[in-house]
Amino acid sequence: AQTVTQSQPEMSVQEAETVTLSCTYDTSESNYYLFWYKQPPSRQMILVIRQEAYKQQNATENRFSVNFQKAAKSFSLKISDSQLGDTAMYFCAFMKGSSYKLIFGSGTRLLVRP
Amino acid sequence: SAVISQKPSRDICQRGTSLTIQCQVDSQVTMMFWYRQQPGQSLTLIATANQGSEATYESGFVIDKFPISRPNLTFSTLTVSNMSPEDSSIYLCSVEEPNEQFFGPGTRLTVL
Repeated sequence: AQTVTQSQPEMSVQEAETVTLSCTYDTSESNYYLFWYKQPPSRQMILVIRQEAYKQQNATENRFSVNFQKAAKSFSLKISDSQLGDTAMYFCAFMKGSSYKLIFGSGTRLLVRP
Repeated sequence: SAVISQKPSRDICQRGTSLTIQCQVDSQVTMMFWYRQQPGQSLTLIATANQGSEATYESGFVIDKFPISRPNLTFSTLTVSNMSPEDSSIYLCSVEEPNEQFFGPGTRLTVL
């Protein structure tokens, strides 16, 4: 069975600085996808970034980028130039390639300080 | 990405009653899902809502407690039946687009 682990329950960063959120996963699958979702206090789940396991290049979306280390089964999220609106819960998620089931980590609460 | 709405956005219910949550998508989608997020917890998949057939439930969730309808490709409902305080959660629907899932705004349910 697949598992997703987020070892940082809470993180804090100063506005405009960079922060990295950690995520590790366990799977024997070769075809899968990894995601980072953001959940602000409004509770809307927002897809931040997606990584296909077969791609070696790390995904990037504006200020958000990932460090995908397939051998180490690590998938960290880097947020550059942090903004107050980045304050939210961040969930790492795994999806097997042949399945539509998302498996979520426990989440990391990020606070961006002014 | 699809635009997803849910009704109600929140509700407070008495134990023993039932609540039906609606999920509407602005385009036809094949796969729709229902998740539960208990207070301070992560999301857990309840079931996959299949159009034209019974929903597929995950381990620990049963049809009698969480009946689901999927009458067409843009709409689904989740009913939380015979509620207890342990059912207090956020319930979210999601839709699958190729290799991604997008979520509705969620329904915050409080059971007294």
